[in-house]
Order: sequence, then structure tokens, then C-alpha cells
Amino acid sequence: DTGVSQNPRHKITKRGQNVTFRCDPISEHNRLYWYRQTLGQGPEFLTYFQNEAQLEKSRLLSDRFSAERPKGSFSTLEIQRTEQGDSAMYLCASSLAKARYTQYFGPGTRLTVL
Amino acid sequence: AQSVTQPDIHITVSEGASLELRCNYSYGATPYLFWYVQSPGQGLQLLLKYFSGDTLVQGIKGFEAEFKRSQSSFNLRKPSVHWSDAAEYFCAVGAQAGAGSYQLTFGKGTKLSVIP
Repeated sequence: DTGVSQNPRHKITKRGQNVTFRCDPISEHNRLYWYRQTLGQGPEFLTYFQNEAQLEKSRLLSDRFSAERPKGSFSTLEIQRTEQGDSAMYLCASSLAKARYTQYFGPGTRLTVL
Repeated sequence: AQSVTQPDIHITVSEGASLELRCNYSYGATPYLFWYVQSPGQGLQLLLKYFSGDTLVQGIKGFEAEFKRSQSSFNLRKPSVHWSDAAEYFCAVGAQAGAGSYQLTFGKGTKLSVIP
């Protein structure tokens, strides 16, 4: 059983560029979550998918942020026109439908915006 | 809205000493409570969880936590700390975020340092 994987692990970009991160959940997990973690803080919930349906996206930080899960398997998180304040660790988690609060996290993608 | 407070930002203990990390939560209903550990540059690993039943729960790596409803607390303990336990520890409460949506709300974390 492989865990949650995320790619890339690190991303350095210049302000104004677009970036996309990928998350592959544990294979039998149909629920997928994105969180953001800034320095010295705990993870902050961003959005949630059940299969391919995005059931909660009001917590996305701005309209520059969007997420997809087109076939109910992997997910992507895109940030358009990045700003220095977007620098953070972006974490993905997945869970089974029957254990929705027991979330397993990936290693994260560290974003640095110059 | 739910919230989690971890009063201690940084704790230092000697190897072999006992450990207690504090966590207080605010949530209107019966909480789902979790402890996660994060090593530098890594994701979060689930240590243990409480949903209902026995208020003392056992987790991995020799950790345990006790749920005290009267104190709104869920403190993490370990009888003898190992150098490899040095990491950051996060307490979290699970709650419904919206229709059919579930999220974890985390505290700010407690960084544990272990002196050899």
C-alpha cells in the first residue's frame, strides 16, 4: 500500500507565474483534501473532493486558487499569478468515505515565490 | 466554529523523561480529536485518534492521549521520550465544514526538542 504522494516536492517560482501541484491519494480513498501550512502554523483547510465532486471550495484563499479532480483519482491545485504571500507548504490528504475524519497526509509541496 | 489551542510553542525534555503535550479544543458537539506528528520538511503522520468510548486512547510509537470533556482537553503523553521523537506535534479536531464536507482544524503545534 503506497501512501499519499505529491509532486513536485519543491517549487520555486517568480511572482506572477502560475503553478500547479499534483496529489495522488491512497488508491481506495474516495475523499481528498487540500490544506495550506505557513511557517509556525498548523495546516489550514482549503478544499475537499468526494470522488470527482468538489463539495467545499469556499475556503480557497482567493479566486487565484483552483482545484480539480477530473476522474476521481488524482487531484491538482493551481495557483495563478502567484504572490509572495503564497509561499507555504501545500498538503494533500485522503480518507475513506466511512472514516472521513481519519485523514492521511502526503509529504507536501513546498512553494517559494520570489 | 471549532478551534484548537496548543498552549506550548516549544518544549524541551531529556531523553528518557516523560512527556505531556497540552491541547484544548472548542467545539459544540462531541469532538473527533487527533494528534499528528510532523518531522522537518515532511507531511503529517497520524499518531492517534479519539471518536468515542474509552477516554484513554493508545497510538503508535508508544504515545497515548486522554480525552477530558470537562476540561475540553486532549493531552498527549509518553512515559519515556526517545531522541527520535523530536518533531512538531499538532492536535486537531474534526468537524463538518459545509454540506457533506469534512475538515480538520489544527492547533499551531508544539515543537518538541529532546536533549540526549
